Amino acid sequence: QKEVEQNSGPLSVPEGAIASLNCTYSDRGSQSFFWYRQYSGKSPELIMFIYSNGDKEDGRFTAQLNKASQYVSLLIRDSQPSDSATYLCAVSFTGTASKLTFGTGTRLQVTL
Amino acid sequence: DADVTQTPRNRITKTGKRIMLECSQTKGHDRMYWYRQDPGLGLRLIYYSFDVKDINKGEISDGYSVSRQAQAKFSLSLESAIPNQTALYFCATSDFGTSGTYEQYFGPGTRLTVT
Repeated sequence: QKEVEQNSGPLSVPEGAIASLNCTYSDRGSQSFFWYRQYSGKSPELIMFIYSNGDKEDGRFTAQLNKASQYVSLLIRDSQPSDSATYLCAVSFTGTASKLTFGTGTRLQVTL
Repeated sequence: DADVTQTPRNRITKTGKRIMLECSQTKGHDRMYWYRQDPGLGLRLIYYSFDVKDINKGEISDGYSVSRQAQAKFSLSLESAIPNQTALYFCATSDFGTSGTYEQYFGPGTRLTVT
């Protein structure tokens, strides 16, 4: 069973702080990694993807991938109350390039 | 207009009824997916289709069937609805883009309640 694990949270951070969200996955051969943001009752929205080891930055978001340790993380700098949502990690496992397996998500709360 | 649309957006039905959820997309993507989302269980794949003639079961296909009527349309049916099929259902599409990977884009979801 190929799995994607996330801490369900809630992760509470003050406004302006850095939020760090983590995800681990079971298949060492996994190829692509995605972060989605989902507001309550809404559909998942793609924030970032990464497929090479290291960091990838997009505005206030940074995705970090470490294939040797089988984890991927999302950093949100200067967190805003509007960032309060559930963040889903998704992985395309070996041989399933266009299929994604999702973690259960981490709920982030940004407090004033 | 939204790229991926789902109808209906909300539906309440009774146990044993047949129900169809529809998904349409204007993104021109070949690949389409149906997921359900339950609290604490995340998104789980029900069926997926790589083109009109290629339909595959996901991890939780029992009790569901699908039809890919055209590249742009993918429908999910519950032949005889049961209460534990109460969930939020999402359609998604993807294609191999300039990013070098398959990015999936989701419709707005259908909230289904089976009483």
